[in-house]
Amino acid sequence: DGGITQSPKYLFRKEGQNVTLSCEQNLNHDAMYWYRQDPGQGLRLIYYSQIVNDFQKGDIAEGYSVSREKKESFPLTVTSAQKNPTAFYLCASSNDRAPYEQYFGPGTRLTVT
Amino acid sequence: AQRVTQPEKLLSVFKGAPVELKCNYSYSGSPELFWYVQYSRQRLQLLLRHISRESIKGFTADLNKGETSFHLKKPFAQEEDSAMYYCALSGYSGNTPLVFGKGTRLSVIA
Repeated sequence: DGGITQSPKYLFRKEGQNVTLSCEQNLNHDAMYWYRQDPGQGLRLIYYSQIVNDFQKGDIAEGYSVSREKKESFPLTVTSAQKNPTAFYLCASSNDRAPYEQYFGPGTRLTVT
Repeated sequence: AQRVTQPEKLLSVFKGAPVELKCNYSYSGSPELFWYVQYSRQRLQLLLRHISRESIKGFTADLNKGETSFHLKKPFAQEEDSAMYYCALSGYSGNTPLVFGKGTRLSVIA
């Protein structure tokens, strides 16, 4: 393993607190993605970035924010506005040539109580 | 709109039996389709993509544009095939997000 890392593996927060999940890649990929994985829901796209200093909202962006100041890093902040933040969060990256395979990190399990 | 449907949440088969994990998609253009697999305690990883027309770990998948399907098949299931399988679609060329189905958990019974 390696290439794309997420930390921490488990994260616990109290309701009302913002929390930032880390995602780093050393694959020199331009594009990075955040997905949320819930049982029975599959993977749903939160945000993605195709280039540094630019990012786009996905299907469930409300209550989340991201930044892309460096090519290697794409942190996700889960804000207190996110109504149901407890979930498994997956980060991915992809290269800029076909077939644009996405590589996934190991995930962070966030529990908010 | 792009959509991927995996009708079965859980599929249980006996070891040595054939496996077929169903995937149907909705997209008006020419999609790129993928199967991803997530083994227990491992990260999500690409299993195969339709454009390569390859067989990985004995699995194959054929894109049927008429039926808008991309079913995953294996003639003889093994216990190590037990995992969560996701079908995914990319409707554009380039670095665009994938649209995932909800996944099918395959359980191979010894």
